[in-house]
Amino acid sequence: EDQVTQSPEALRLQEGESSSLNCSYTVSGLRGLFWYRQDPGKGPEFLFTLYSAGEEKEKERLKATLTKKESFLHITAPKPEDSATYLCLPEGTSGSRLTFGEGTQLTVNP
Amino acid sequence: NAGVTQTPKFQVLKTGQSMTLQCAQDMNHNSMYWYRQDPGMGLRLIYYSASEGTTDKGEVPNGYNVSRLNKREFSLRLESAAPSQTSVYFCASIDPGGVYGYTFGSGTRLTVV
Repeated sequence: EDQVTQSPEALRLQEGESSSLNCSYTVSGLRGLFWYRQDPGKGPEFLFTLYSAGEEKEKERLKATLTKKESFLHITAPKPEDSATYLCLPEGTSGSRLTFGEGTQLTVNP
Repeated sequence: NAGVTQTPKFQVLKTGQSMTLQCAQDMNHNSMYWYRQDPGMGLRLIYYSASEGTTDKGEVPNGYNVSRLNKREFSLRLESAAPSQTSVYFCASIDPGGVYGYTFGSGTRLTVV
């Protein structure tokens, strides 16, 4: 059965304090892994798609990496506007029954 | 602007009432999805439609029905609303190659009293 676990559930950082969020997954035949950002009261916003182990993608202060069992979202020198819930979504070859992780709620204090 | 449009944005229902949540996308995407999001529960898939004319159950389909009216529109119906269906509902679609991920609507906040 496909499973996904995100950790930590919540993370508080000071502005400029770098850290990483984790997404561990068990998926039959990974087709891709998506990262999203969600602000309160809004729908998730697409950040990255990763397709194969070793792949990395960057966007501003965010960098996503992928291994065969995990994905990390590294946040370098975060700013308060990076505060949001970050969600990962692995997609397997089994079809379209997609399961989101429960997310990491990130708070960056000025 | 291109994207996913959901209506209504807010709704209050009495237990036992029925309603339909509407979703439309103008990006020519084949696949469309309905999720619900509850505090502390994350996003859970209710139903999805891989292509026009097909629908399939997701993780939590009980109490819901869907209709893929055409390529653009995918509606979610609550036949007899229950308080347990109080949630925020999101519709999403994805481009055929999946390169740009899922595009989500802004959500419908439903309260069943």
